[in-house]
Amino acid sequence: EVQLVESGGGLVQPGRSLRLSCAASGFAFDDYAMHWVRQAPGKGLEWVSGISWNSDRIVYADSVKGRFTISRDNAKNSLYLHMNSLRAEDTAVYYCAKDNGRFHLEYCQHWGQGTLVTVSS
Amino acid sequence: EIVLTQSPGTLSLSPGDRATLSCRASQSVSSRYLAWYQQKPGQAPRLLIYGASARATGIPDRFSGSGSGTDFTLTISRLAPEDFAVYYCQQYGSTPRTFGQGTKVEIK
Repeated sequence: EVQLVESGGGLVQPGRSLRLSCAASGFAFDDYAMHWVRQAPGKGLEWVSGISWNSDRIVYADSVKGRFTISRDNAKNSLYLHMNSLRAEDTAVYYCAKDNGRFHLEYCQHWGQGTLVTVSS
Repeated sequence: EIVLTQSPGTLSLSPGDRATLSCRASQSVSSRYLAWYQQKPGQAPRLLIYGASARATGIPDRFSGSGSGTDFTLTISRLAPEDFAVYYCQQYGSTPRTFGQGTKVEIK
């Protein structure tokens, strides 16, 4: 059974940094691309970033480009999101999601339960 | 980026009714690279449809997807009590990937 467990969320002040982690199990992590998707309170889904199986292809939404960095450690079956220069509008539940394939960053086949990031002074 | 506009914003229906949800793209979505997700309160989204019309594993056949180019539709043939939720479309034919704003299907 595919399991994705996010961690690292919490309350952080504007301008500070935070790193989210996603622990994957139940599938061959190094065979799949991965995504981060976020959802502000009471709002819809926003795709944030995706990374191919070997980290050769990385894409970001314009809203986070230059501030967020996605990475993965296949030896540890883990996905990360490094978030810098956080803003109030980054407040959201952040979901880790497994792609259906290796490279092309397509759709989110499986989702974690999410971790809440609150940016506030 | 491709903007996806879903309509209606809210659909008020009764169990057993047919639900028709629309997703319109600001530009053509290549190769029918469109997915649909269902989200219930307090839960993560769940994949329903990919490739515009292929059902994901375990999804009942009352859910169907259709469309191409800029116009896509999710149809629920007969609403079951567990189908009342928010539905999102997502395109993956262009970078960055984008979601629609969602359609809420509520009990009338």
